[in-house]
Amino acid sequence: KAGVTQTPRYLIKTRGQQVTLSCSPISGHRSVSWYQQTPGQGLQFLFEYFSETQRNKGNFPGRFSGRQFSNSRSEMNVSTLELGDSALYLCASSLAGGFGYTFGSGTRLTVV
Amino acid sequence: AQTVTQSQPEMSVQEAETVTLSCTYDTSESDYYLFWYKQPPSRQMILVIRQEAYKQQNATENRFSVNFQKAAKSFSLKISDSQLGDAAMYFCAYRQLTQGGSEKLVFGKGTKLTVNP
Repeated sequence: KAGVTQTPRYLIKTRGQQVTLSCSPISGHRSVSWYQQTPGQGLQFLFEYFSETQRNKGNFPGRFSGRQFSNSRSEMNVSTLELGDSALYLCASSLAGGFGYTFGSGTRLTVV
Repeated sequence: AQTVTQSQPEMSVQEAETVTLSCTYDTSESDYYLFWYKQPPSRQMILVIRQEAYKQQNATENRFSVNFQKAAKSFSLKISDSQLGDAAMYFCAYRQLTQGGSEKLVFGKGTKLTVNP
């Protein structure tokens, strides 16, 4: 079956702009989570969505937001981009119950 | 809050040899899940192995096995018969549950594994 699909794979944006990243989970997976990966901070949890509801959010400013659609696809948005937002953004989907997450290949965002 | 510590930023191993990657964690929960993920240069995080804390038996997946010491809060990964394709970043992760049923992974900083031919 198809894996987790993230688009786009690469993105270059200018400071102050906004960006939207997309994630299509594995069919049947209703939980979608987002993580930010940087060399300095490692992997940090952004938020988790389940059945179109945000159930949890990490310690990120309000410029980071997301949503989930009825087909479980998810988007995350970052407004007023800063240089420090440059990172690999990973999306993961899962069945409930500790079976583990399946990750996408990520979106590499570079802010210049 | 749960924390995960990987004390070895880098490790190297000769092809066909065995290597062990260390991971310790801190939690007050009695039942939880632990994972090892592999991230090759392609960037995709790949699940290597999972362990349920209530199970005493160490998980095994082909050449990958864990040494789970619950009392010591230790969860090491052993890779046997190392192959060139095993070269990657390896992350240890703890599944944290919150009220309302939400779950998230708490990751260690990772260990970069080099496999020498």
